[in-house]
Amino acid sequence: NAGVTQTPKFRILKIGQSMTLQCTQDMNHNYMYWYRQDPGMGLKLIYYSVGAGITDKGEVPNGYNVSRSTTEDFPLRLELAAPSQTSVYFCASSYPNRPDIGANVLTFGAGSRLTVL
Amino acid sequence: AQTVTQSQPEMSVQEAETVTLSCTYDTSENNYYLFWYKQPPSRQMILVIRQEAYKQQNATENRFSVNFQKAAKSFSLKISDSQLGDTAMYFCAFKTDSWGKFQFGAGTQVVVTP
Repeated sequence: NAGVTQTPKFRILKIGQSMTLQCTQDMNHNYMYWYRQDPGMGLKLIYYSVGAGITDKGEVPNGYNVSRSTTEDFPLRLELAAPSQTSVYFCASSYPNRPDIGANVLTFGAGSRLTVL
Repeated sequence: AQTVTQSQPEMSVQEAETVTLSCTYDTSENNYYLFWYKQPPSRQMILVIRQEAYKQQNATENRFSVNFQKAAKSFSLKISDSQLGDTAMYFCAFKTDSWGKFQFGAGTQVVVTP
């Protein structure tokens, strides 16, 4: 059981370039999330999805786009990369509101470190 | 709006000693979930412990336990018999039943010294 898989683990971009961070989960979780973590800081929600075809903005969505065509995949697109987007990005998933152990628990990917120069 | 506050940016503790991390939250909801996540230098986010608000009994996982005070909206984490491997950033997090988003605190860096 792989859990949440993110690729790539590291990436360096030039200002103005675009890229997609991939995220896939094999736990049949409805909810998926993208967070960013700036150095020495907590997690800020970029976008989240409550199911295939449904996405919504979090606290810091500007400069990013997402799609959710399947339950398993939730890619994050960076258009026109800027130095302010230098951060570690985490994808996470959860299965909400089930009365069993593990319900409502966020499972995280290993993170993707992005540097924009 | 839901908020989570961790007022201790850093805590230092010696091996085998006990350390307590504080977390307060603000919500008008009655049903919710509280979590402590650990982030070691590897950056991986690891669930430490979880508490449902409707349960009065405080959650315990081996050396980790919580003190959940619902009326005070407080959720502290106690690490007993601290080990070097406990050195990490610890995040308090909150989620309601009616809301899909998890809210995280700013984190507390715990350093365990020999």
